Amino acid sequence: EDQVTQSPEALRLQEGESSSLNCSYTVSGLRGLFWYRQDPGKGPEFLFTLYSAGEEKEKERLKATLTKKESFLHITAPKPEDSATYLCAVITSGGSYIPTFGRGTSLIVHP
Amino acid sequence: NAGVTQTPKFQVLKTGQSMTLQCAQDMNHEYMSWYRQDPGMGLRLIHYSVGAGITDQGEVPNGYNVSRSTTEDFPLRLLSAAPSQTSVYFCASSRGKYYEQYFGPGTRLTVT
Repeated sequence: EDQVTQSPEALRLQEGESSSLNCSYTVSGLRGLFWYRQDPGKGPEFLFTLYSAGEEKEKERLKATLTKKESFLHITAPKPEDSATYLCAVITSGGSYIPTFGRGTSLIVHP
Repeated sequence: NAGVTQTPKFQVLKTGQSMTLQCAQDMNHEYMSWYRQDPGMGLRLIHYSVGAGITDQGEVPNGYNVSRSTTEDFPLRLLSAAPSQTSVYFCASSRGKYYEQYFGPGTRLTVT
């Protein structure tokens, strides 16, 4: 069974304090790993797609990386507006279309 | 572009009642999905569609029906609401199996 585990469940940072969120996966035939941001009361918003080990993507203060077992979302010098829940999801090469989501990391950045 | 829209935003039902959650997208995406999000459980796929006239079950399909008569619309029907269906429901669309999804704003459903 495909599994996606995100850690930590919650993270509190001071503004400017860099850190990383982890998404580890146990799947066969990974075809893509996705990072989303979800603000309270809203739907998830797409951030990045990673397709192969070694790939990196950047957007403002966020950088996503991928290895054969896990992905990291690095947040450099975060600001309070980066506070949100960050979700990762994987899709495999199986016949059906059932993306597997992790439970998310709730990030709070204090000013 | 409006993206993915969902109605209603909030709904309260009594046990046994039926209703339809509406979802529409204007991006001409072939793939559309319905998820439910519960505290501590993450997003779970209910049903999905890979094109007009084609639907399939996800992880938690029991108690829900879907149909896809057009590319734009993908309604979710609750046949006989149960308290276990209290949740936040999200519709999403994608241009293909291995591409990112775009989510609607969600419907918060309470079944009493």
